[in-house]
Amino acid sequence: KNQVEQSPQSLIILEGKNCTLQCNYTVSPFSNLRWYKQDTGRGPVSLTIMTFSENTKSNGRYTATLDADTKQSSLHITASQLSDSASYICVSEGRYSSASKIIFGSGTRLSIRP
Amino acid sequence: DTEVTQTPKHLVMGMTNKKSLKCEQHMGHRAMYWYKQKAKKPPELMFVYSYEKLSINESVPSRFSPECPNSSLLNLHLHALQPEDSALYLCASSQSAGGLATYEQYFGPGTRLTVT
Repeated sequence: KNQVEQSPQSLIILEGKNCTLQCNYTVSPFSNLRWYKQDTGRGPVSLTIMTFSENTKSNGRYTATLDADTKQSSLHITASQLSDSASYICVSEGRYSSASKIIFGSGTRLSIRP
Repeated sequence: DTEVTQTPKHLVMGMTNKKSLKCEQHMGHRAMYWYKQKAKKPPELMFVYSYEKLSINESVPSRFSPECPNSSLLNLHLHALQPEDSALYLCASSQSAGGLATYEQYFGPGTRLTVT
């Protein structure tokens, strides 16, 4: 069964601290893994996209890693800011001959406190 | 321009009403998507259009009817909805769908739908 599981479900950290969010996926055949940031009531915004051959990708203070062997990904946020408070969603795409299957994780709700 | 626009932002409709949600992009993308998102849940894929043809329908009830009049526009026609259909409806687009390449998806801000 294709699944994407994220942990923790929610996280509260102080402004300026670092944090790491986790994602495990079982989508097969695997095509790519994406991390999105979603503010409440808004559409998700793409942070990173990684294919199976990529181990790490950065976007400013966001760094995503991918281990295709263990089917795990992480999103590391450095020097957190209040504006980082949002839900972070891991998405895995499986690729078939005629279409792709996009599986969303349940997200991690991150709160940054001053 | 990397923007996907959606109208209206908010919609309240009765169970006997007929309404439509609209989505527009001018990035030349050939794949467009409708998602449904309930509170504190991840988006659920509903439909995918590729080159203006419906390529994926995730077993969505017929009271939701998608339409892609041209490569820039995507509509979602609503009829005889139920209160449990209340949700945030998100539109997204990407350069293409399927195949070997990986394309970024751009999401619109969503339409907040309430069915009374």
